[in-house]
Amino acid sequence: QLLLQESGPGLVKPSETLSLTCSVSGGSISSSSYSWGWIRQPPEKGLEWIGNIYYSGSTYYTPSLKSRVTISVDTSKNRFSLKLISVTAADTAVYYCARHDREAVPTAAYYYYYFYMDVWGKGTTVTVSS
Amino acid sequence: DIQMTQSPSSVSASVGDRVIITCQASQNISSWLAWYQHKPGKAPKVLIFPASSLQSGVPSRFSGSGSGTDFSLTISSLQPEDFATYFCQQANSFPLTFGGGTKVEIK
Repeated sequence: QLLLQESGPGLVKPSETLSLTCSVSGGSISSSSYSWGWIRQPPEKGLEWIGNIYYSGSTYYTPSLKSRVTISVDTSKNRFSLKLISVTAADTAVYYCARHDREAVPTAAYYYYYFYMDVWGKGTTVTVSS
Repeated sequence: DIQMTQSPSSVSASVGDRVIITCQASQNISSWLAWYQHKPGKAPKVLIFPASSLQSGVPSRFSGSGSGTDFSLTISSLQPEDFATYFCQQANSFPLTFGGGTKVEIK
C-alpha cells in the first residue's frame, strides 16, 4: 500500500522559506507513469494546487506561485520536496502531498494527459507568523 | 484558470438519504473531472475519475454524472461513514483546480 507522509516545520517566519518533504513508502517514486505534487488549503478556503514533478525532474507550477515555488525530487531517498520563498501570512495552510495518476489520450502527434490525485498524504499544517 | 463552482457548500442529511452534490466548470472540460472524499485528519480519497467512473473499491452507492460544464456526485443511500467533505477537481488543463467543497453533516 502506497503511503505518503509530509514533514517539515509547522511555523515559518514571514519573508523566510517554507520547506516541506513528502516521503513515499510502499512504492517507488521512479515511475514514468506518475508525477508527484503539492496541494494546499488555507483556513476556511478551498484547495489550491501548487504544482507537480516527474522523477525525471520535469515540473509544472501554478502560475500564481511560479515565481516563489520549487518542487524537487530525490529518487535515492524516495521522496520529493516543496520550497516556497518569501512567505507571508497568506501562505498559512494545510499542505498535502499527492501522487498524480493520469489518463493518456492519443492525438495525431502526441499523447495528452489528464491528471488526478490517486494517493494523498494526511497533510501538515504550516503557519506563517513572527 | 478554469473555475470550479461547487454546491451546496454544506448539506444536512440523515442515514439513508439521497444526496446530490453539483460542480460547474467555467469552461468545457469534457469528462475530465474527479471527485474526492475527505474526512478530518485523514488523507483525501479519490472516488470517481473521470466523471462517471467509480474507482476500485468505492461503494456502488456513489455515482458521478455529467460532461462539458455540469457535473454531479450522487450518494444514493447515505451511510454513517459517508459524513465527510466532498470536492471536485478539473483535470482538463493546468493549473488543476478544485471546487470549494461540500460538507455532508448529520441531520
